[in-house]
Amino acid sequence: AQKITQTQPGMFVQEKEAVTLDCTYDTSDPSYGLFWYKQPSSGEMIFLIYQGSYDQQNATEGRYSLNFQKARKSANLVISASQLGDSAMYFCAMREAYSGNTPLVFGKGTRLSVIA
Amino acid sequence: EAGVAQSPRYKIIEKRQSVAFWCNPISGHATLYWYQQILGQGPKLLIQFQNNGVVDDSQLPKDRFSAERLKGVDSTLKIQPAKLEDSAVYLCASREGLADPQETQYFGPGTRLLVL
Repeated sequence: AQKITQTQPGMFVQEKEAVTLDCTYDTSDPSYGLFWYKQPSSGEMIFLIYQGSYDQQNATEGRYSLNFQKARKSANLVISASQLGDSAMYFCAMREAYSGNTPLVFGKGTRLSVIA
Repeated sequence: EAGVAQSPRYKIIEKRQSVAFWCNPISGHATLYWYQQILGQGPKLLIQFQNNGVVDDSQLPKDRFSAERLKGVDSTLKIQPAKLEDSAVYLCASREGLADPQETQYFGPGTRLLVL
């Protein structure tokens, strides 16, 4: 079974508007961490934001925020005030049993296109 | 601080040929990962090293893929012989590996392999 599900293969957003990229996850481990990465056409994976399963507040990093709904097992990325440079692939990832040295498991990604 | 270095950036080979990729992680990072990213998908873990020992190679096709991390620093990933379905981007990532749950993995630029 897929541990990370990203149901939106592609999204379009107008410049300066906000956009939400969906991510749902599946785990029975009470301790886990959720990550979002950006992958521009150059190929490098760029870390954006992190949310721990025990964190009480939603994570924020500049224009990025994470809408964490633990009961629904969702961790949606919100990008505010979209810019043309935000056009890229976005991946949601999870690390289970995050007290250990476990690797990240990635979703299939969402391609975001920002329109001028 | 220098990032994760990978070479070559691009490689084109014919099926049944051999190929090797090199990765130099961030200085001091004990944990090193190799991921395979097929077009349109998220990265999939191939192998994880902790220093020079293998932690997880359950998804490495051992009949054709091999990897080593001598002296616990640089790593090489080899494919011998290559198949058409090995065409992908091979991403190397590293992490300090001190079991900090929030610590992300830092990715290199990747090697794009095309098997003809």
